[in-house]
Parts: sequence; structure tokens; C-alpha cells
Amino acid sequence: GAVVSQHPSWVICKSGTSVKIECRSLDFQATTMFWYRQFPKQSLMLMATSNEGSKATYEQGVEKDKFLINHASLTLSTLTVTSAHPEDSSFYICSARDPGKVNEKLFFGSGTQLSVL
Amino acid sequence: GQQVMQIPQYQHVQEGEDFTTYCNSSTTLSNIQWYKQRPGGHPVFLIQLVKSGEVKKQKRLTFQFGEAKKNSSLHITATQTTDVGTYFCAGRSSNTGKLIFGQGTTLQVKP
Repeated sequence: GAVVSQHPSWVICKSGTSVKIECRSLDFQATTMFWYRQFPKQSLMLMATSNEGSKATYEQGVEKDKFLINHASLTLSTLTVTSAHPEDSSFYICSARDPGKVNEKLFFGSGTQLSVL
Repeated sequence: GQQVMQIPQYQHVQEGEDFTTYCNSSTTLSNIQWYKQRPGGHPVFLIQLVKSGEVKKQKRLTFQFGEAKKNSSLHITATQTTDVGTYFCAGRSSNTGKLIFGQGTTLQVKP
């Protein structure tokens, strides 16, 4: 089945630094990818929709200058958390749909646990 | 904004007992999906329901979509320890097309 690869799986960084997370679709081309944030034992909150070749669409309350999204190719989207602070510590997870399939199911990456010291 | 409410938040059952989680949307959905997330893992797609009143089964799992397409349920018969995890519903809004996740129900199964 379709696979979405995300890395790194976990990252620890100092406050004020930037962290880049990569999301790749391995066996299909994803014109759209989705970035979520998940707090412990809570639901998935959609942060933004990443569109290949165009600007990302951010959900209300998500700072686009804080969470930079780049979708430069049909198989890669990146999320950069700029000037990270402890409150940015969270589990970030990406997903994508296989446009070749009628079913609208999402394939999720394995997630990235970010800890900002 | 649109919300998808899911209850209960947690459920502890004895192995062999049944389990049900419910989702309710404030607005009509075009479809609803269910995902399972194992502890430490990522959500994995289980099923999608599209039609009003639709019922689908996967072995011990039964999924229902309400007649009004605003609610759904997942029922597990005779739970096993392998059923442990968090079950999320995700409803797609008929108005906006956005997929909104419920809060999830975390199932614990005591052997």
C-alpha cells in the first residue's frame, strides 16, 4: 500500500533554533499534503494544507511565519518550525492522499516528536 | 466552526467484552472515516462510510453511518488485547470539504 515517510522521528533542539521536518510520499505523487499537530492523548489538529507548486493554506490561528511549509515537488513537503520555543514542543505528523485511488483515505507519516529545551 | 465530538474519551474493558465509540457532527458530513492509532504509532485508515445509514463490517468491527449523515459509531465485538489503541473518527464537511478529526477514544483491554 501507499507509504508516507516522515523524518526525523524525534528531535531535541534549543530554544530559538529552527527545525525542519520532511514528509515524503514513497510510491505515489501527492499534490496535496496535510500537516497536523497532536498533543498527548489529544486529537489531530490540522495546521495547514501543503499544495505542490503554490502557497500552503493555513488554518485559523496557525502562524504562517512560524511554521513554514514548502511543497517543492510532488513527493516532498517540508515543515520548518522557525525560532522554536518550548511551547512548540509537540508531535507533528503529516499525511497525504493517493490521487490515483478513489478512496479518500489518508496515509500518515510516522510523526516527529519535537522537544524544545 | 464545525466540530466532530467523539465519546467516550477513554474506555477500559475486560478482554472479551464489547466496545463502542460514537461520533457526532454539528453539521452534515459527506463521508466519515475511521482511523486507529496504536500507542506510539501513527493513525492507520480503517474504513470510509459514504451513504446514509451505511453499515460496514470488518471481522469483529462494525461501522455505522447515521441516516442524517451527522453521526457514526464503531463497535468492536469480543475485544482482544490487539484492539488496544486510540480510535479516531474523521468527518468530511459537506460545506467546506475539510476533514475534521474527533477527539479520539482510547481503548484499554485487560487480559
